[in-house]
Amino acid sequence: GQNIDQPTEMTATEGAIVQINCTYQTSGFNGLFWYQQHAGEAPTFLSYNVLDGLEEKGRFSSFLSRSKGYSYLLLKELQMKDSASYLCAVGNQGGKLIFGQGTELSVKP
Amino acid sequence: GAVVSQHPSWVICKSGTSVKIECRSLDFQATTMFWYRQFPKQSLMLMATSNEGSKATYEQGVEKDKFLINHASLTLSTLTVTSAHPEDSSFYICSAAVLSGYTFGSGTRLTVV
Repeated sequence: GQNIDQPTEMTATEGAIVQINCTYQTSGFNGLFWYQQHAGEAPTFLSYNVLDGLEEKGRFSSFLSRSKGYSYLLLKELQMKDSASYLCAVGNQGGKLIFGQGTELSVKP
Repeated sequence: GAVVSQHPSWVICKSGTSVKIECRSLDFQATTMFWYRQFPKQSLMLMATSNEGSKATYEQGVEKDKFLINHASLTLSTLTVTSAHPEDSSFYICSAAVLSGYTFGSGTRLTVV
């Protein structure tokens, strides 16, 4: 079966660092994606991992361990505008993109 | 590049009527389009995969006679919600696979009254 788990909500302080975890079990694996989504809008692509290790892109980094079925998204120097839903998604062998339930991040002053 | 244009952005319809949502790939050919539904404070749930020139494949639990998908050309896929009811009120969004990953339409907010 397919299962993607991430925390429902998190709260962090402006300027801090936050790590959002994601564990997955899917039929086949064709890469792991992280998206940011504001309510009522389309998801915005943040990162893509297909090999184990850390991918860094500015304030955002994403890590993948395929053997553990685990990924995390790291957000540094948090800003108020980072308050949003963060979606972990896995591409499966059929080319479909399957999403986790999303983590609602609230950044407070 | 790789833009998907989705219309309408929002629609309000009466219960029992049908609503068509269009997704057009503007600068590439989309042989496959994915359709998702998102309820408030929930994630995107894959409804179906539309394939140009052939029948769509639906995810378990999605009624194919209620959610009609047509993918008659390489640049246009449509989702028609037939005999809509208030419980069909949701955010519908399409997506296409491209070289750099997946590109999304802007979404359609459907409200059935």
